[in-house]
Amino acid sequence: KNEVEQSPQNLTAQEGEFITINCSYSVGISALHWLQQHPGGGIVSLFMLSSGKKKHGRLIATINIQEKHSSLHITASHPRDSAVYICAVGVGADGLTFGKGTHLIIQP
Amino acid sequence: GAVVSQHPSWVICKSGTSVKIECRSLDFQATTMFWYRQFPKQSLMLMATSNEGSKATYEQGVEKDKFLINHASLTLSTLTVTSAHPEDSSFYICSARGSSGANVLTFGAGSRLTVL
Repeated sequence: KNEVEQSPQNLTAQEGEFITINCSYSVGISALHWLQQHPGGGIVSLFMLSSGKKKHGRLIATINIQEKHSSLHITASHPRDSAVYICAVGVGADGLTFGKGTHLIIQP
Repeated sequence: GAVVSQHPSWVICKSGTSVKIECRSLDFQATTMFWYRQFPKQSLMLMATSNEGSKATYEQGVEKDKFLINHASLTLSTLTVTSAHPEDSSFYICSARGSSGANVLTFGAGSRLTVL
């Protein structure tokens, strides 16, 4: 069973700061997902990665398959980025294993 | 893009009653649907995997007679919490995978169940 560790658990930053959230996992995977969960609970899929790097707007996600590690970066952070960010990994056609999430607060 | 509709978004019921949650893929055929549960301040946990037309596969510790999953069509899966109790109060989320790729998942918005 894959163990997914996220850090930090909680992060408070000022608007405009560069944010990094880390995720490490224990077993080889076929894909890693970064998800955003808002206070109401709804989940938005931000990225799905199997290698390299992806960028969408102010969000950047990277993955190092050899080191079993991924990072999610937010540039020019904004209060509306405040949410829980969840890393989830999958192997083949199986369901996902989730990290515990990083609770991000961006203060104006 | 792919959209998954989950309904209801929240439900309150009395202990002992059954509650049905629907998960629909609106613009694609979902060959596989996953059901997850999230207790307050905990991570999402996979409950079961359902493939259209076959019985769901439940994760260890999830009671299949209590959490009935039906995936009768390629666009609809339902989760029925039978004889709900307060400890079943949780946030239930579905995700769906189409035929475009094993790793592409679309999540529903979730259903918050409160059992009184």
